Amino acid sequence: QKEVEQDPGPLSVPEGAIVSLNCTYSNSAFQYFMWYRQYSRKGPELLMYTYSSGNKEDGRFTAQVDKSSKYISLFIRDSQPSDSATYLCAMSITSYDKVIFGPGTSLSVIP
Amino acid sequence: GAGVSQTPSNKVTEKGKYVELRCDPISGHTALYWYRQSLGQGPEFLIYFQGTGAADDSGLPNDRFFAVRPEGSVSTLKIQRTERGDSAVYLCASSSGTGSHEQFFGPGTRLTVL
Repeated sequence: QKEVEQDPGPLSVPEGAIVSLNCTYSNSAFQYFMWYRQYSRKGPELLMYTYSSGNKEDGRFTAQVDKSSKYISLFIRDSQPSDSATYLCAMSITSYDKVIFGPGTSLSVIP
Repeated sequence: GAGVSQTPSNKVTEKGKYVELRCDPISGHTALYWYRQSLGQGPEFLIYFQGTGAADDSGLPNDRFFAVRPEGSVSTLKIQRTERGDSAVYLCASSSGTGSHEQFFGPGTRLTVL
């Protein structure tokens, strides 16, 4: 079993839709949870960063962490074509530790 | 801008050759990370520097891979006797190393071993 599992997609939605992206993980020691966005031939960029369980909202993006279920989610409201990218969930044990990434979900938002 | 830069952007080499990949982190960032990303996969951790020292090199796949950061700024990832399986995008990231966890990634070096 991989440490972090994520449905690779591809996921295709119409503009304006709500997108739900999810990951599961196996290591209960993870405390820091992140979502990165990666455009083609670019490095990942941090979207959301959450410590421990709970919700965090930033504009159209909401991140949820459920440590009891070892499950994290990212919701994108009012999706835009510019949101088309690969979304990587990631997590680490400490704030300065190596980050373990999921394989990424490819998202296309169709105008 | 003053982001993380990596050179070269693309490197094509032949099996058995030696390659060096360079990373220039954001000025003042004390932590530097190397990752490797294969097609359709997320980045895979290789090594982490705090200052000049390797704080965690548990991700280096074998002794053909080595990385240095002699002055605590620029880092070089060195691969000896390259194999076709080494073909991937090598990503470098840096962070301030104090409190903030955000790792800022460079655009990567695409390594192709023929």
